[in-house]
Amino acid sequence: GAGVSQSPRYKVAKRGQDVALRCDPISGHVSLFWYQQALGQGPEFLTYFQNEAQLDKSGLPSDRFFAERPEGSVSTLKIQRTQQEDSAVYLCASSRDQGTQYFGPGTRLLVL
Amino acid sequence: GNSVTQMEGPVTLSEEAFLTINCTYTATGYPSLFWYVQYPGEGLQLLLKATKADDKGSNKGFEATYRKETTSFHLEKGSVQVSDSAVYFCAPGGYGGSQGNLIFGKGTKLSVKP
Repeated sequence: GAGVSQSPRYKVAKRGQDVALRCDPISGHVSLFWYQQALGQGPEFLTYFQNEAQLDKSGLPSDRFFAERPEGSVSTLKIQRTQQEDSAVYLCASSRDQGTQYFGPGTRLLVL
Repeated sequence: GNSVTQMEGPVTLSEEAFLTINCTYTATGYPSLFWYVQYPGEGLQLLLKATKADDKGSNKGFEATYRKETTSFHLEKGSVQVSDSAVYFCAPGGYGGSQGNLIFGKGTKLSVKP
């Protein structure tokens, strides 16, 4: 596609609910990253895929967070038993060459 | 670990003023350096980048030079416009030449008044 797309753009969840956030990277981009951006802060790294392999998940804040990219294209970030502190914008980025990442519009998650 | 320190905002300037946003980083390797911009209501966009020492990245009148000796990547623009109002993020990444995650500063909000 023309750019990275994410869905849904906005998600309101009740505390304890599970959510799934989707990312469609730019076609042909082998690398995919997830970031979490709290209000007024810079994005923070969550996890990284190269094709279908999850090479780094050191930024996932707890075992309630899980990400997958089973066919090396679309990725899903799943958050189980959401908590209020999970409220943030979740950004997906993809890249083809070293270092230049292209970001999607983000999913704004609000946990009530 | 690797980290980045970015000038805190908000920064308010008049149109046509000179802009500098300072950025320094710590690194155990040789990262690529990026400036991203986030316009109101929009997603992060790559503004410019530099991949090795003494490289100068430039775009839309903005410039930044990779200074290895001072581990800095300050953003400059000679004459800002109202349309430059946005949040600017400095981000080292791609440490050691590998595809690594970006480490973002806290962002500097720039407001340009007519």
